[in-house]
Amino acid sequence: DADVTQTPRNRITKTGKRIMLECSQTKGHDRMYWYRQDPGLGLRLIYYSFDVKDINKGEISDGYSVSRQAQAKFSLSLESAIPNQTALYFCATSDSTPAGGTYNEQFFGPGTRLTVL
Amino acid sequence: RKEVEQDPGPFNVPEGATVAFNCTYSNSASQSFFWYRQDCRKEPKLLMSVYSSGNEDGRFTAQLNRASQYISLLIRDSKLSDSATYLCVVSPMTTDSWGKLQFGAGTQVVVTP
Repeated sequence: DADVTQTPRNRITKTGKRIMLECSQTKGHDRMYWYRQDPGLGLRLIYYSFDVKDINKGEISDGYSVSRQAQAKFSLSLESAIPNQTALYFCATSDSTPAGGTYNEQFFGPGTRLTVL
Repeated sequence: RKEVEQDPGPFNVPEGATVAFNCTYSNSASQSFFWYRQDCRKEPKLLMSVYSSGNEDGRFTAQLNRASQYISLLIRDSKLSDSATYLCVVSPMTTDSWGKLQFGAGTQVVVTP
């Protein structure tokens, strides 16, 4: 079973609709992230969370909100979707105390392909 | 200007050949560097960290040039399975503390039979 899962995997919606993308992880990591990926651009950070009570804006948080419902769950909402939010969205996790690893290794979910018409 | 720039490619490489490509970064305060691999329509995965002295992991060699602010990745004896997009990733923090990652848009490598 995948360590980081995202639902849905694909979603087509219309402008103005509210959309929620969900992420769950079984890695036991405390840190979670939401990124979007657009062709020709690198992954850009939307929001990140270091624990359940900690939420931080990334570089492109406008138009998005998040909720950290539990250590293992981090959801991303688009309150009123617009076409330029069409992108591939990735959830990622990392460990604040990596055993033998690096703080900057992030583990990504399979992605959600969102199309806003 | 993008913080991390990569040649998008594609680099078409015959199986068994060597391919190398670079990535430049604009923030001179960057402290840690990585190559991630992303297969088509899939999630990125860490390929290797890049250390100041350069490092190898099997057929992959990474180099860092702080003076010119670039990192490189060389793949020897290319396999068909090496076909992927390679993402250059930079962080302002050293590897023993957390820092936001800056991702390049990726370099596509296509290994042909």
